[in-house]
Amino acid sequence: DSGVTQTPKHLITATGQRVTLRCSPRSGDLSVYWYQQSLDQGLQFLIQYYNGEERAKGNILERFSAQQFPDLHSELNLSSLELGDSALYFCASSGGPVGAEAFFGQGTRLTVV
Amino acid sequence: GENVEQHPSTLSVQEGDSAVIKCTYSDSASNYFPWYKQELGKRPQLIIDIRSNVGEKKDQRIAVTLNKTAKHFSLHITETQPEDSAVYFCAASTRGGADGLTFGKGTHLIIQP
Repeated sequence: DSGVTQTPKHLITATGQRVTLRCSPRSGDLSVYWYQQSLDQGLQFLIQYYNGEERAKGNILERFSAQQFPDLHSELNLSSLELGDSALYFCASSGGPVGAEAFFGQGTRLTVV
Repeated sequence: GENVEQHPSTLSVQEGDSAVIKCTYSDSASNYFPWYKQELGKRPQLIIDIRSNVGEKKDQRIAVTLNKTAKHFSLHITETQPEDSAVYFCAASTRGGADGLTFGKGTHLIIQP
């Protein structure tokens, strides 16, 4: 167990809908990262938050947004869902200081039908 | 931005033999190179990492080598066992840790009994 908790584990929704994925980082970790994993694209970095502030942005679509709350948990919001958004979404956390490794959660499998 | 290429995409070896997975990176400023193992349906887990001030690092049956001049690094697994079967991802970062990780597309390692 990495200590990173993601909910829900599975999500099935229809095209055009909006969903929210939740991540609780390891105790004490200030950084949260979101990754998308699909079969043909590997692990794609979406966005990073550090202590409540957006720190880095990767290949995140405009239909997607995220935030990190004062208690350090994070949510990834996906809207106007398309079939191609079906993927495994991972959250990872790290201790913040340079050199800290990333610990991944178990992921949320999103299926858009 | 950083680009990480990983080869091969699939590798099949006999149990007990060695396996080598290779990655190249594009940004000469990259200084942190982790390797993650992902079993089917599970989260990526860090198995070994190396920093740019070191040429080789070993942990039991696993070793990683880094050639900064050629901008490539490799994962070596000796005396492979059935539990080594998984997808392995290499990654690179210019920020010394979990920040800014760019992942390769993964290698599916199959250990034949």
